[in-house]
Amino acid sequence: NAGVTQTPKFRVLKTGQSMTLLCAQDMNHEYMYWYRQDPGMGLRLIHYSVGEGTTAKGEVPDGYNVSRLKKQNFLLGLESAAPSQTSVYFCASRAWADSNQPQHFGDGTRLSIL
Amino acid sequence: ELKVEQNPLFLSMQEGKNYTIYCNYSTTSDRLYWYRQDPGKSLESLFVLLSNGAVKQEGRLMASLDTKARLSTLHITAAVHDLSATYFCAVDMIIQGAQKLVFGQGTRLTINP
Repeated sequence: NAGVTQTPKFRVLKTGQSMTLLCAQDMNHEYMYWYRQDPGMGLRLIHYSVGEGTTAKGEVPDGYNVSRLKKQNFLLGLESAAPSQTSVYFCASRAWADSNQPQHFGDGTRLSIL
Repeated sequence: ELKVEQNPLFLSMQEGKNYTIYCNYSTTSDRLYWYRQDPGKSLESLFVLLSNGAVKQEGRLMASLDTKARLSTLHITAAVHDLSATYFCAVDMIIQGAQKLVFGQGTRLTINP
């Protein structure tokens, strides 16, 4: 059972470069989330999606864009990377809005911007 | 402002001792989750607390929820080295019409032999 799969696992970018992080889930979950994790700050929500074709901003959306063209995939894009975006990025999914089940997390993507 | 605060943020303890991690939150919610994270790893779900007075136990860990006090606790009994990790609480909240988790800062637990 794959669960939530993130690619890539590691990446180093130069300032100004762009890239896309891919999140795929095989649990038929409606909700998907992108978080960033920085030391001492827990996880902060970047963007989320409540279903295929829908996205919304979270707590720290600036500098990021997302797309949910297929239910199983949630993409996070950095159009022009900045050193402040150096972080560990986690994707998570959840069955539906009132589900009592916890969010399921991917293994993370460690991103460094030089 | 929605806040979830954990206390302490760092905890170093000896094997065999007991201790409690506290999670306070600032708005009404009936659902709270505890996660564990090992260094360089993902978050693993430990407990799901769904109502006032809920108590869950797994091995040496026990979690409880008091929704009136907006407080959850994670109690560690007779700690062992394998429990060294960072523990996060997360509160389920409706924000802008959508259900989201708001995380605490995490408690880094180190258990020494």
